[in-house]
Amino acid sequence: KAGVTQTPRYLIKTRGQQVTLSCSPISGHRSVSWYQQTPGQGLQFLFEYFSETQRNKGNFPGRFSGRQFSNSRSEMNVSTLELGDSALYLCASSLEGAENTEAFFGQGTRLTVV
Amino acid sequence: QQQVKQSPQSLIVQKGGISIINCAYENTAFDYFPWYQQFPGKGPALLIAIRPDVSEKKEGRFTISFNKSAKQFSLHIMDSQPGDSATYFCAASDTDKLIFGTGTRLQVFP
Repeated sequence: KAGVTQTPRYLIKTRGQQVTLSCSPISGHRSVSWYQQTPGQGLQFLFEYFSETQRNKGNFPGRFSGRQFSNSRSEMNVSTLELGDSALYLCASSLEGAENTEAFFGQGTRLTVV
Repeated sequence: QQQVKQSPQSLIVQKGGISIINCAYENTAFDYFPWYQQFPGKGPALLIAIRPDVSEKKEGRFTISFNKSAKQFSLHIMDSQPGDSATYFCAASDTDKLIFGTGTRLQVFP
């Protein structure tokens, strides 16, 4: 069965631009979570969607947003990019949520802001 | 309250030795404690997980020890192999979001 697919794998953007990242979860999984991974801050939770509704949100500014579609695919958007947004963005999918069922991570999207 | 503290930051072990990574948490509402393994260029992969109603869980060479009263849990890798060289993250959860430790880079030398 196919794993979690994140596209694109790599992105280079300029400060002030916006970016959209995509995540296709494992078939049948209804929960999609997003995490930011940086050398300094480690893995930090951004938000979680379940059946098209945002169920949890981390401590990130409003420039970070997301959504989930009826087929469980999810997108996250970052507006007005800052240099500090350079990171590996990871998506994780699970059947019901990371607390109750195993969360499977994609390979991530490496975003570089210049 | 939401932090998970992980140590050591890096660990060098000889092949066949035991690798031990420790984590501590504050939030007593956490009720799910997974360990993830991450190789360079890959996303984290679940290794083993435990809930606070048991004190130990073993899967192959990997064991989680859990001390609820001390709010600590640890990962033991027995008979460590060079293929175990990776970054290991502990995590805790109570509301479907994972709070990760800062990671331990394990290097196993032949």
